[in-house]
Amino acid sequence: GAVVSQHPSRVICKSGTSVKIECRSLDFQATTMFWYRQFPKKSLMLMATSNEGSKATYEQGVEKDKFLINHASLTLSTLTVTSAHPEDSSFYICSAAIPWGANEQFFGPGTRLTVL
Amino acid sequence: AQSVTQLDSQVPVFEEAPVELRCNYSSSVSVYLFWYVQYPNQGLQLLLKYLSGSTLVKGINGFEAEFNKSQTSFHLRKPSVHISDTAEYFCAVTFSSNTGKLIFGQGTTLQVKP
Repeated sequence: GAVVSQHPSRVICKSGTSVKIECRSLDFQATTMFWYRQFPKKSLMLMATSNEGSKATYEQGVEKDKFLINHASLTLSTLTVTSAHPEDSSFYICSAAIPWGANEQFFGPGTRLTVL
Repeated sequence: AQSVTQLDSQVPVFEEAPVELRCNYSSSVSVYLFWYVQYPNQGLQLLLKYLSGSTLVKGINGFEAEFNKSQTSFHLRKPSVHISDTAEYFCAVTFSSNTGKLIFGQGTTLQVKP
């Protein structure tokens, strides 16, 4: 149990376009999901905390108008990178907090975004 | 401020040798501790976790870790590594007083050589 999926796994887009990444908890309901960004050879940087039915909480320095997060249901959170630019190219990983564990998260497989 | 430090960015080791990956944290409140492994272009997989109870925690793939509160450490060990253990390892902490956010260490690259 506790499987988290992401779609797409890889996306290439042109500069100026918007890209949506989906994060789903497949076998449990997640009231809280997290979005991370990972640069090459670097650790994970928390971008925002997504709570079902409410606005996401963004970490300091993360542009909320550029990285739109929607947590419309207990099993789905989406991250939309708006007007993407090459510097937005990165590996984006989501996680879902399991409701029965003490602050434990399960991670999706990640999405590789390349902006040309 | 709360933080996590992984003292080694890279650890080269020969196959079948033992290994220890070090992790220290800084916190004035209770903590939950995790070790994750990441293979190239993949997400994170939980190796083991410490929530409470016994300070020696056993995880998957033969890994174990020991929580040392006095030294604020949670070092990961394996008595005999395999080539397939080559990956990036992350120590992470969540604090009982926060919203469940994980704070990650910088990561340690384990390179197992034949």
